[in-house]
Amino acid sequence: KNQVEQSPQSLIILEGKNCTLQCNYTVSPFSNLRWYKQDTGRGPVSLTIMTFSENTKSNGRYTATLDADTKQSSLHITASQLSDSASYICVVKRNYGGSQGNLIFGKGTKLSVKP
Amino acid sequence: DAGVIQSPRHEVTEMGQEVTLRCKPISGHDYLFWYRQTMMRGLELLIYFNNNVPIDDSGMPEDRFSAKMPNASFSTLKIQPSEPRDSAVYFCASTSQGGLNSPLHFGNGTRLTVT
Repeated sequence: KNQVEQSPQSLIILEGKNCTLQCNYTVSPFSNLRWYKQDTGRGPVSLTIMTFSENTKSNGRYTATLDADTKQSSLHITASQLSDSASYICVVKRNYGGSQGNLIFGKGTKLSVKP
Repeated sequence: DAGVIQSPRHEVTEMGQEVTLRCKPISGHDYLFWYRQTMMRGLELLIYFNNNVPIDDSGMPEDRFSAKMPNASFSTLKIQPSEPRDSAVYFCASTSQGGLNSPLHFGNGTRLTVT
């Protein structure tokens, strides 16, 4: 079954600290993996998209890693800020006939950054 | 670029009433998606269009749900009659056919409450 599991479900850290969010998937065949940030009351916003051949990708203080062999990804946030408080959603796209609809969503990790 | 625009932002209605949600995608994007988000199930694809044509509506819960895209700049999602279990946040998203690695651009959603 095509699934995306994220851990932890929620996380509280102090401002300035680093954190790492995990994503494990069983989606096949694999096309790419995406991380989205969703602020409360807003739609998700894309942070990174990683293909099979990419191991690491950065977007400012966000660094995503992908291990296609173990089907795991992580999102590392460096020097957290209050504005990083949000839900982070891992999404895996199936390589299935070119369809744009084959996105499998995780349920997200809710991150709270406290002052 | 104003992004994906959804209206209304909030909708409260009584069971049995008709509800219409509206979406204006980003100009030039040829894919449009409707998603539903709940705490229990996360983000679920309802239907998506390519060049105004519905491609996959297998996620539409039942015949009470219908979606249209009369032109490239407008789409509606209609629920008739509405039920309390339809309460959720409904997101519209769009993307361009710039390859399968194009990110989705989400609107800020419509929070629907059916009493």
